[in-house]
Amino acid sequence: DIQMTQSPSSLSASVGDRVSISCRASQSINTYLNWYQQKAGKAPKLLIYAASIVQTGVPSRFSGSGSGTDFTLAISSLQPEDFATYYCQQSLSTPKTFGQGTKVEL
Amino acid sequence: QVQLQESGPGLVKPSETLSLTCTVSGGSINGYYWTWIRQTPGKGLEWIGHIFPSGTTTYNPSLKSRVAISVDTSKNQFSLRLTSVTAADTAVYYCARDNYGATTPYHFDFWGHGTLVTVSS
Repeated sequence: DIQMTQSPSSLSASVGDRVSISCRASQSINTYLNWYQQKAGKAPKLLIYAASIVQTGVPSRFSGSGSGTDFTLAISSLQPEDFATYYCQQSLSTPKTFGQGTKVEL
Repeated sequence: QVQLQESGPGLVKPSETLSLTCTVSGGSINGYYWTWIRQTPGKGLEWIGHIFPSGTTTYNPSLKSRVAISVDTSKNQFSLRLTSVTAADTAVYYCARDNYGATTPYHFDFWGHGTLVTVSS
């Protein structure tokens, strides 16, 4: 299985901050990398797919980058509704695997 | 807008079979992979497996001996069966659509709300 490791596990930030979350794959996954946002009690929501393509309807302050084994999700100016947990997920091969999550807190 | 809704018992006894159904509305079930994912505080998000409307399935090897996913295209539904459950199978179970494009890899673009299944006697 491809292991996905996110860092940090949690971070504290303020409204307006720029935030970056890292995701590392245990082997090269090209750009087969997706990012999701999950709020408490809700299902994950797709933010970014193919490493850098922003899903329709997702604010432009969200961006993704990277290829191979190292990826980054960036939020350019944190908004109150962005406090949530973020997950990366590889779609190169089955079983599809997720990172352990990064909780963005106030 | 595609919507997915999980349904099934919220409580299952140990050693029994967990059965859930996902109903897809607002779009056809044809042409996509349909997936079951579960989430626990301890193991996080775990991909269980998926099915194509033709009936082709792929399962997580960690669950393969106990899991079966089936599809009913006439009802726009797909289902999960997990046998011989234990407390470790207590989780929120999600169904999701696995979408892809000609040049873009797979991604879960629509999810159900999730349903908590507790394994307990």
